[in-house]
Amino acid sequence: DVKVTQSSRYLVKRTGEKVFLECVQDMDHENMFWYRQDPGLGLRLIYFSYDVKMKEKGDIPEGYSVSREKKERFSLILESASTNQTSMYLCASSRTGGNQPQHFGDGTRLSIL
Amino acid sequence: GNSVTQMEGPVTLSEEAFLTINCTYTATGYPSLFWYVQYPGEGLQLLLKATKADDKGSNKGFEATYRKETTSFHLEKGSVQVSDSAVYFCALSEWGTNAGKSTFGDGTTLTVKP
Repeated sequence: DVKVTQSSRYLVKRTGEKVFLECVQDMDHENMFWYRQDPGLGLRLIYFSYDVKMKEKGDIPEGYSVSREKKERFSLILESASTNQTSMYLCASSRTGGNQPQHFGDGTRLSIL
Repeated sequence: GNSVTQMEGPVTLSEEAFLTINCTYTATGYPSLFWYVQYPGEGLQLLLKATKADDKGSNKGFEATYRKETTSFHLEKGSVQVSDSAVYFCALSEWGTNAGKSTFGDGTTLTVKP
């Protein structure tokens, strides 16, 4: 089975800190994604990557950046954390192709104080 | 652009009741359709999928049929259990779009009471 592992289940940081969320997948998937999930707003795509060192903005990239130096790892970076970035963050991966499902990690619940 | 509209929740049912969660979509091409389930405290996991018109996806007693004529992919289960309590997401993905990006519905929360 595909395993997508997010480095932390819960994280508490302070306003203005630089925050790193890490995601690793073990099935050699080409594509990786970062979403945030907020009550009443569903899943919103922040960034995705279809290859090493490649990235594309999603629907809400402001205040975030990403890094993909190795195929299995996709990092989300909050450059200067703000309280409105308190949320559940979900990482996913998939093979290339329109009929391929995404495989999700268990999420990181991030609180910015 | 693509969009997915699913039945608003929350939905509350008694154990052994019949479940339907409606999902309709708008797509420019020929999408594959998915249902994902999210149990409390976990990420989403694939429940079932269908890749072409009239395909039926099924898993764990859940079923959904890809209806191109009505652009729908409704989720059904004949007899729900308490353990089915979760959030259900309908999604689509198309060939040729960026890297297998998916469009998700907003999710429907199901609570099953004993």
